[in-house]
Amino acid sequence: GENVEQHPSTLSVQEGDSAVIKCTYSDSASNYFPWYKQELGKGPQLIIDIRSNVGEKKDQRIAVTLNKTAKHFSLHITETQPEDSAVYFCAALGSYIPTFGRGTSLIVHP
Amino acid sequence: EAQVTQNPRYLITVTGKKLTVTCSQNMNHEYMSWYRQDPGLGLRQIYYSMNVEVTDKGDVPEGYKVSRKEKRNFPLILESPSPNQTSLYFCASSLARANSPLHFGNGTRLTVT
Repeated sequence: GENVEQHPSTLSVQEGDSAVIKCTYSDSASNYFPWYKQELGKGPQLIIDIRSNVGEKKDQRIAVTLNKTAKHFSLHITETQPEDSAVYFCAALGSYIPTFGRGTSLIVHP
Repeated sequence: EAQVTQNPRYLITVTGKKLTVTCSQNMNHEYMSWYRQDPGLGLRQIYYSMNVEVTDKGDVPEGYKVSRKEKRNFPLILESPSPNQTSLYFCASSLARANSPLHFGNGTRLTVT
């Protein structure tokens, strides 16, 4: 089955800096890669996703890149703000059942 | 408003006392699933359902049961809870087709003493 590894487990940055979270996956059949943000006391929410026919996707301060050859994808957050502090999960899917990474706790210091 | 609703949000119980956590979605999603979240372990799938009357085990199904009698509801049943089932539980749903993102409920924090 699919295996997704996510790094780092904790990331601490200063407000205004960039943050990068990386994930690798094992199943070459995976073709959809969503990212979820989990704020304290809430369930994870989709923030951005990318499909295998695209190498990069941006949405304001958030971007995701995908390297299918190397089987890795990354989340980039620029100009971080305190409200970006949360746990972020990556996932990989070949069908509609996702395999999740273990999560990254991002802390943005004012 | 499109949402996944879980109840209760918090539950404290004792070992062996049967409990049910309810989950309901209003998006007509075919696929529903339950996860538990523990520190350092991320989200682990307990059970999932691809449609009414179709359920299957996830990665950590021991000690749990589910049922899917209606499309909108997917309750999680702990027949005899034990302390190692103390965790944060999430229900999620999506369309049963490729590239469909999951919609999560807000979680149920369960403590078993």
